[in-house]
Amino acid sequence: EAQVTQNPRYLITVTGKKLTVTCSQNMNHEYMSWYRQDPGLGLRQIYYSMNVEVTDKGDVPEGYKVSRKEKRNFPLILESPSPNQTSLYFCASTPTSGSHTGELFFGEGSRLTVL
Amino acid sequence: GESVGLHLPTLSVQEGDNSIINCAYSNSASDYFIWYKQESGKGPQFIIDIRSNMDKRQGQRVTVLLNKTVKHLSLQIAATQPGDSAVYFCAEKSGTDKLIFGTGTRLQVFP
Repeated sequence: EAQVTQNPRYLITVTGKKLTVTCSQNMNHEYMSWYRQDPGLGLRQIYYSMNVEVTDKGDVPEGYKVSRKEKRNFPLILESPSPNQTSLYFCASTPTSGSHTGELFFGEGSRLTVL
Repeated sequence: GESVGLHLPTLSVQEGDNSIINCAYSNSASDYFIWYKQESGKGPQFIIDIRSNMDKRQGQRVTVLLNKTVKHLSLQIAATQPGDSAVYFCAEKSGTDKLIFGTGTRLQVFP
């Protein structure tokens, strides 16, 4: 089944404790992206990657890191989480970077709470 | 399930009625638009898209209308069903720029 898989789905952590949210897609998509979703603010892009070893900042990159060592994986790293990073996170992918289509395939989401 | 917003605009419709969800977009240069559906506890799911050289596109039970003059997009759902209950987002794109998402509208379907 074609899908985008995120882990963990739910996580409660404390300020300053490094964590990684993994994202994997099995559709051979070039483009992958991370979003956070907060009440009243919609989906905001954190980082994106147009291909292996190519990553770039989105609208809200502060406090996050990403890597794209393999095509299928795009982990989101919070080196020192803070309470303002409490949010619902989505990973998404699409076949071709620079494509005119915008049909993103989303994961199921990861609910992160930072105490 | 996950809450995507406590204060979203909400549209309540009776099962079997038609639903119209509206969206105002911001960039007059946007040339591609998409509607996504997000059910509780799930990620957004593509519903239908439309390019700026069209003003209407139909899918299965859904129709998207685009009015570029007033920068307005709407999603019409025919014969709304309980399974249509979700949050609906519009998104716009200009050229190869990234998608910009709206904040969403919650659709509630009651018997």
